[in-house]
Amino acid sequence: KQEVTQIPAALSVPEGENLVLNCSFTDSAIYNLQWFRQDPGKGLTSLLLIQSSQREQTSGRLNASLDKSSGRSTLYIAASQPGDSATYLCASGGYNKLIFGAGTRLAVHP
Amino acid sequence: EAGVAQSPRYKIIEKRQSVAFWCNPISGHATLYWYQQILGQGPKLLIQFQNNGVVDDSQLPKDRFSAERLKGVDSTLKIQPAKLEDSAVYLCASSFGTGSGNTIYFGEGSWLTVV
Repeated sequence: KQEVTQIPAALSVPEGENLVLNCSFTDSAIYNLQWFRQDPGKGLTSLLLIQSSQREQTSGRLNASLDKSSGRSTLYIAASQPGDSATYLCASGGYNKLIFGAGTRLAVHP
Repeated sequence: EAGVAQSPRYKIIEKRQSVAFWCNPISGHATLYWYQQILGQGPKLLIQFQNNGVVDDSQLPKDRFSAERLKGVDSTLKIQPAKLEDSAVYLCASSFGTGSGNTIYFGEGSWLTVV
């Protein structure tokens, strides 16, 4: 049974810092690994999707990497801004189903 | 482009009562999902539809939860009777295709409190 863990559960940083969010999964037989953002009281927004054959994906200040053999993914946020404050969730993608981690709650203060 | 619409946004009911949530997916999206997100946890898939057929309902507590997607568009999720542990956000989502590699779009959720 796939389990997805995210560390840390919460993070508070000053504006401008580069930061790394971690995601680990127990079953390496995944089709993809996805990162989402959730703002308070809102649904999830897809940020990045890494296919199992890929090593990383980039979108603006976000870069996500995938190491299937070690069961890990990281989300790198460059030059963090207060608008980046949200919960970031990773999800392992099976054939049809996504298994989500509990998320990392990020606060970027001015 | 209109997003995934859900209603009601908030509902408070007593245990053993019933509640129903409605979802209208993005136009043209064949796949519709209902997720349950308990406070502090990640979303858990309850049921996945492809058009009006069920793809996965393995984690749906079928003794109290039911869902339908008539005509392959709108969907309704019902809970009867509700328990305290059903307090959660119920997220509807949709995607163009069925595989997990399709971009999935979430609604803002229906917040349920069972007292």
